[in-house]
Amino acid sequence: KNQVEQSPQSLIILEGKNCTLQCNYTVSPFSNLRWYKQDTGRGPVSLTIMTFSENTKSNGRYTATLDADTKQSSLHITASQLSDSASYICVVSARGYNKLIFGAGTRLAVHP
Amino acid sequence: NAGVTQTPKFQVLKTGQSMTLQCAQDMNHNSMYWYRQDPGMGLRLIYYSASEGTTDKGEVPNGYNVSRLNKREFSLRLESAAPSQTSVYFCASSEAGSRVGETQYFGPGTRLLVL
Repeated sequence: KNQVEQSPQSLIILEGKNCTLQCNYTVSPFSNLRWYKQDTGRGPVSLTIMTFSENTKSNGRYTATLDADTKQSSLHITASQLSDSASYICVVSARGYNKLIFGAGTRLAVHP
Repeated sequence: NAGVTQTPKFQVLKTGQSMTLQCAQDMNHNSMYWYRQDPGMGLRLIYYSASEGTTDKGEVPNGYNVSRLNKREFSLRLESAAPSQTSVYFCASSEAGSRVGETQYFGPGTRLLVL
């Protein structure tokens, strides 16, 4: 069964600190993996997308990594800001399956 | 360019009542989707429309119907609301729908409470 699991469920960090969020998937055959950011009360917004051949993708202070062999991805946030407080959702697509498989998300709170 | 808009933002229904959630996009996208988001779970696809004039069931279609009114608009109808349909509903759109994993653009959501 195609599944996406994220950890931790929630995380609290102080402003300026770094953090790393994890995503494990069992989607096969793998096509691509996205990280979405969802602010409270808003819809998800795409941050990064990686295909099988890519193992790192950056978007400002956000850096996503992908290990297709172990089926793991991480999202690293550098020098966190209060505006980074949100849920971060890992989303995987399978080849030949034209739908997205969503993780439950990690809720990040950045405190001053 | 408003992107994807949804109405209403909030709604409270009694069990058995009906309502329609409206969604519109102004990006000239071919494909549109309805999802529900429940606490502790990933978004789940209810219905989608790969192109104007077509609709297909997603993962959790029971209790819902959809209408692709035109290329811009995709509505979701609850004929007889149940407490299990209490959720946040998101509409999304994508350019083609045929490319695996293409970017989907989400609306702000409708928060529905069924008493």
